[in-house]
Amino acid sequence: GAGVSQSPSNKVTEKGKDVELRCDPISGHTALYWYRQRLGQGLEFLIYFQGNSAPDKSGLPSDRFSAERTGESVSTLTIQRTQQEDSAVYLCASSRTSGGVPADTQYFGPGTRLTVL
Amino acid sequence: GENVEQHPSTLSVQEGDSAVIKCTYSDSASNYFPWYKQELGKRPQLIIDIRSNVGEKKDQRIAVTLNKTAKHFSLHITETQPEDSAVYFCAAARFSGGYNKLIFGAGTRLAVHP
Repeated sequence: GAGVSQSPSNKVTEKGKDVELRCDPISGHTALYWYRQRLGQGLEFLIYFQGNSAPDKSGLPSDRFSAERTGESVSTLTIQRTQQEDSAVYLCASSRTSGGVPADTQYFGPGTRLTVL
Repeated sequence: GENVEQHPSTLSVQEGDSAVIKCTYSDSASNYFPWYKQELGKRPQLIIDIRSNVGEKKDQRIAVTLNKTAKHFSLHITETQPEDSAVYFCAAARFSGGYNKLIFGAGTRLAVHP
């Protein structure tokens, strides 16, 4: 079936503007994750969703960052009042997680490259 | 929390040689260790993973070894080919609260020269 998709693939915005990044997980995947990848660096965990609840938001860098998820489908990551240091690739991943069973593989989307001028 | 260190940051080999990338982790409770390959401008793709109940896993030219006592794990690629050129990321996680929270290393850029 289709993999994880993200939109837009690229987003250029001006400092101070708000942006919304979208993630469509693989159908049937209950777990969804957002990561940030700065240029030449590893992936930083931002937030985890199980269904539409977010039990772990510990990676969100500031209160300008928020995310929501509709049921077990689409998720949106919103960055308010963007700053230049927010420039990065934002990656979404999903997995089939069942309670009491070790989580399955996380499958990544292609990412959204955000550039804040 | 968990911290993962990855070495080397860059690795250059000749086609046909072997490549080894090493990672160490800090959380002794971590029990899941995946490796991802990321080609330029592409999404990370899982290439192999290992759970803490085994010490080694192999898939064709790729193998991963885990030493839980020393808290380190390694990726071994044999008979490297130019298409193996990419950035490789290790990660460590423990299953807690119903999910694996992956903590990634900083990545290793592997270049395989024909």
